[in-house]
Amino acid sequence: GESVGLHLPTLSVQEGDNSIINCAYSNSASDYFIWYKQESGKGPQFIIDIRSNMDKRQGQRVTVLLNKTVKHLSLQIAATQPGDSAVYFCAEKAGNTGKLIFGQGTTLQVKP
Amino acid sequence: DTAVSQTPKYLVTQMGNDKSIKCEQNLGHDTMYWYKQDSKKFLKIMFSYNNKELIINETVPNRFSPKSPDKAHLNLHINSLELGDSAVYFCASSPDGSGGQETQYFGPGTRLLVL
Repeated sequence: GESVGLHLPTLSVQEGDNSIINCAYSNSASDYFIWYKQESGKGPQFIIDIRSNMDKRQGQRVTVLLNKTVKHLSLQIAATQPGDSAVYFCAEKAGNTGKLIFGQGTTLQVKP
Repeated sequence: DTAVSQTPKYLVTQMGNDKSIKCEQNLGHDTMYWYKQDSKKFLKIMFSYNNKELIINETVPNRFSPKSPDKAHLNLHINSLELGDSAVYFCASSPDGSGGQETQYFGPGTRLLVL
């Protein structure tokens, strides 16, 4: 069935360290992947996306890696800051309806 | 200016009541969505509309009825509210649902509590 999952429910890192949040997806037909950050009491905020014809994409302090062979997606955050503390969701899309299937979310805690 | 806005932000109501949540986007997007986020933070799509036309209708009870008066608005009406409807409801929009235009932008959410 359709599912997008995250390997760890909570990730705790020291301020200044790099963070890696992992995600596994099951639909090999998915052609678009996206990461969102959700702070407490707010809506999901777009971070970065990647298409299935790419394996890496970089943004400001963030990098998304896509491994289609093992159906794995990761979000790397460089020099993690207290403001990065939030729940991070990956999502995948297959087809042309725009339907996103979300993973369960990983809580990132940044220790000062 | 808020790109995707929802009203109300909080909604507390009794079981059996009928309520509506409104959503507006000023991004000029063609596609709008409703999601439900449960107490475990799981986000699941409910509906999507593209230019006022229903595109996605997940397995949602027919007590939930979306209405899109124009492509900038997608409202959600819920009849005969049940305890299990308590959740956070998010509206989102995207330029389109496909073809490189599918990045979705979310509103702040409506926290619904059914007593």
